Parts: sequence; C-alpha cells; structure tokens
Amino acid sequence: DSGVTQTPKHLITATGQRVTLRCSPRSGDLSVYWYQQSLDQGLQFLIQYYNGEERAKGNILERFSAQQFPDLHSELNLSSLELGDSALYFCASSVGSGGSYEQYFGPGTRLTVT
Amino acid sequence: QKEVEQDPGPLSVPEGAIVSLNCTYSNSAFQYFMWYRQYSRKGPELLMYTYSSGNKEDGRFTAQVDKSSKYISLFIRDSQPSDSATYLCAMSSGYKLSFGAGTTVTVRA
Repeated sequence: DSGVTQTPKHLITATGQRVTLRCSPRSGDLSVYWYQQSLDQGLQFLIQYYNGEERAKGNILERFSAQQFPDLHSELNLSSLELGDSALYFCASSVGSGGSYEQYFGPGTRLTVT
Repeated sequence: QKEVEQDPGPLSVPEGAIVSLNCTYSNSAFQYFMWYRQYSRKGPELLMYTYSSGNKEDGRFTAQVDKSSKYISLFIRDSQPSDSATYLCAMSSGYKLSFGAGTTVTVRA
C-alpha cells in the first residue's frame, strides 16, 4: 500500500458524459501527478500540481482539467467523454516537485466509456 | 522515435533464474531513473530509484545505469513466481516521468 488513495475504483459511463476522479496523496506529500494508462499508449503523464498550483502539463486533452485543493487532494475532471478515453487513470504523489523526488502511485481508477 | 524504448517481451524464466530487463533512451537530459513493478493493471510500485551511473543493489534487485550509452537495466536474482509482473522503466529530467512500454515477466515454478 503506497498511501495514495483514489476513488472510485471503477467507473462506467456513456459517451458525452462528465466524470470526476479523486486522489488523496500520501501524508506529507505536496505534489500530485495524474497519468493515463491505455493498452496502446502505455503510461502517459497528464498534469502535475504542487501545493495547489499547476506545475507541469503533459498530453492532457482540453476536455480534461484538474485541480488541487487546500487539503492537497486532487480531482481530475473528464468531460465530453469518448470511447477512446476508456483507460486506467493513476494518481501519484511525491514530497517535492521535480524528478529528484520519488513518485508513489495509487491503485488507479478504471474508466469504461460505452 | 520514442523517448524511452523497452522490449515488451514477454519474458518467461524458470524459478531461480536471473531476470534481465533493459531500456534505452534518447533524451540526454534524463537524470533520474526508476523501475516500477505493476501487477495485473494495479498501481505501479516503485522498486528502484537512482540518479547516477553505476549499480545500485536492493536485496535481489540490481539497477544499472550507463548514461554514456543511454541504457539502463534491472536484474532480478533468484527469481520467484511472485516476481511475475510487468516491469516498467521510467526516467525524468524535470517534473514528469517518461515510461517505457513495460516488459511482462513470468517466472515458472
């Protein structure tokens, strides 16, 4: 158990809908990262927040957005869902910001868009 | 060309064998190198973390980094059936991690 929690574990929704994924980092960690894992693309970095502020963006679609709240939990919002958005979404956390800090992953949310 | 290349396998070895996993990369800016283990699409688990060329050992695991050749390796000694998983290399130059595609390993009892 990494100490990172994610809810829900599974989500099944229809195309065009909007969902929110939630992540709580390990105690003491200030950075939260979001990743998408699909069968054909592997693990892809989406976005990072550090202490409430956006720090880095990766391959995140405009239909997706995220935020980190004062209690450091983070939410990833996915809207206008398409079949291709079906994937595992992981959250990771680290103490600081930057590649020198080890990232610990949560158990993931499995999203199925039908 | 992908930033990080990893042989997807699969790799099947008998129990007790040495497992050798490799990744190559093209981005000279990568400074931090990691190996993660992932069971059946669960969350990746950090196994090894290093930032310098050379070897790092942790129990049955040895991570090797050769920055001049842009090549990293993970060796698993005395492999066990419980080591059966997908192994992902990852590397970073800044905030994000860039992952290899993962190598699926099966250790046969």
